[in-house]
Amino acid sequence: GQQVMQIPQYQHVQEGEDFTTYCNSSTTLSNIQWYKQRPGGHPVFLIQLVKSGEVKKQKRLTFQFGEAKKNSSLHITATQTTDVGTYFCAPRDNYGQNFVFGPGTRLSVLP
Amino acid sequence: DAEITQSPRHKITETGRQVTLACHQTWNHNNMFWYRQDLGHGLRLIHYSYGVHDTNKGEVSDGYSVSRSNTEDLPLTLESAASSQTSVYFCASSRRQEGTEAFFGQGTRLTVV
Repeated sequence: GQQVMQIPQYQHVQEGEDFTTYCNSSTTLSNIQWYKQRPGGHPVFLIQLVKSGEVKKQKRLTFQFGEAKKNSSLHITATQTTDVGTYFCAPRDNYGQNFVFGPGTRLSVLP
Repeated sequence: DAEITQSPRHKITETGRQVTLACHQTWNHNNMFWYRQDLGHGLRLIHYSYGVHDTNKGEVSDGYSVSRSNTEDLPLTLESAASSQTSVYFCASSRRQEGTEAFFGQGTRLTVV
């Protein structure tokens, strides 16, 4: 079955520093979604990537889908305290509509 | 506004009791999912449904069951609660089409004592 890894598991940064989390799949993906969960909250959809090599930006967030469609990254420029939370990738392979999530990267931002 | 609601938000139950967690969505979504979230394990899929009368096991389905008698509801039942089932449970829904986002409920914190 599909194996999903996210690295790092935890990241502590000083406010203003950049942050990147990586999602790696053992299988070629149809698409990948990213979600954010604030402490005490529920996961909220951020974005979906579909095309090989696709790059999408949302203000300070940049999402990238690998050329081989087996990995993805989320980069945050100049982190703010509002970025605190856990970021999950949800990779989708070609075999179904299951929403399987990666283990997540927990981001702490020190003011 | 359409929404997805879970009840109760908090529940304490005793080992061996049957417990049912409710999930109700008003988006008319075909797909519904149940996850549990524990420290260090992220979101693990328990059961999912692609429509009325359809149910499927996820990666951690032992000790849980679901039924889908209508589009709006997917209740999750713990047949005989165990301390290992203490967790935060999230319900989610999405449209049938491939590549659509999932909408999550607020979660239910279940403690089994």
